[in-house]
Amino acid sequence: GQQLNQSPQSMFIQEGEDVSMNCTSSSIFNTWLWYKQEPGEGPVLLIALYKAGELTSNGRLTAQFGITRKDSFLNISASIPSDVGIYFCAGRRSEDFNKFYFGSGTKLNVKP
Amino acid sequence: GAGVSQTPSNKVTEKGKYVELRCDPISGHTALYWYRQSLGQGPEFLIYFQGTGAADDSGLPNDRFFAVRPEGSVSTLKIQRTERGDSAVYLCASSTRPDNEQFFGPGTRLTVL
Repeated sequence: GQQLNQSPQSMFIQEGEDVSMNCTSSSIFNTWLWYKQEPGEGPVLLIALYKAGELTSNGRLTAQFGITRKDSFLNISASIPSDVGIYFCAGRRSEDFNKFYFGSGTKLNVKP
Repeated sequence: GAGVSQTPSNKVTEKGKYVELRCDPISGHTALYWYRQSLGQGPEFLIYFQGTGAADDSGLPNDRFFAVRPEGSVSTLKIQRTERGDSAVYLCASSTRPDNEQFFGPGTRLTVL
């Protein structure tokens, strides 16, 4: 099946630090999404990207759709304790646009 | 308004038993998705409904898994002859259209003993 490689697997950072995580794919995607999941809940959409090179922000979060269309990046600036959770990338291909393929997640821990 | 709801929140069953997991999508959402999330992994696509019909069931792992959505709203995921490897969180999501944002429910945690 489709493989999305998400890194890092986990991060331990101090409050106030910036965070970067990324996702790479073996296929070309026409949509990239970034989700956050907290314990006992379903993923919640943070940012959606629809065009190669697109850079989109949502508050302290910024995500980019890679030029090759095979990767995406998420940055969180000035992290706070409530940023704790698991962040997932997800992508969609044009040939099976009903499906979103998810990465294995980046677990973020923020120390106050 | 109400989000996507799933029942039960937890289900413990024995190997070989039959289980049904229910999803109530957001009212008016015609697209409905089922995903399976194993521990430490991201959600894995199982099946997509557009209205009452299963438009893409290519993610169902084998014929023990089946899902229905008879009236185009509530959906039920059915698993026959459960196996220990079926243990996971089963997530449901809905959207107004396939290319719009998917809203996820909290999931049903299935444990097969």
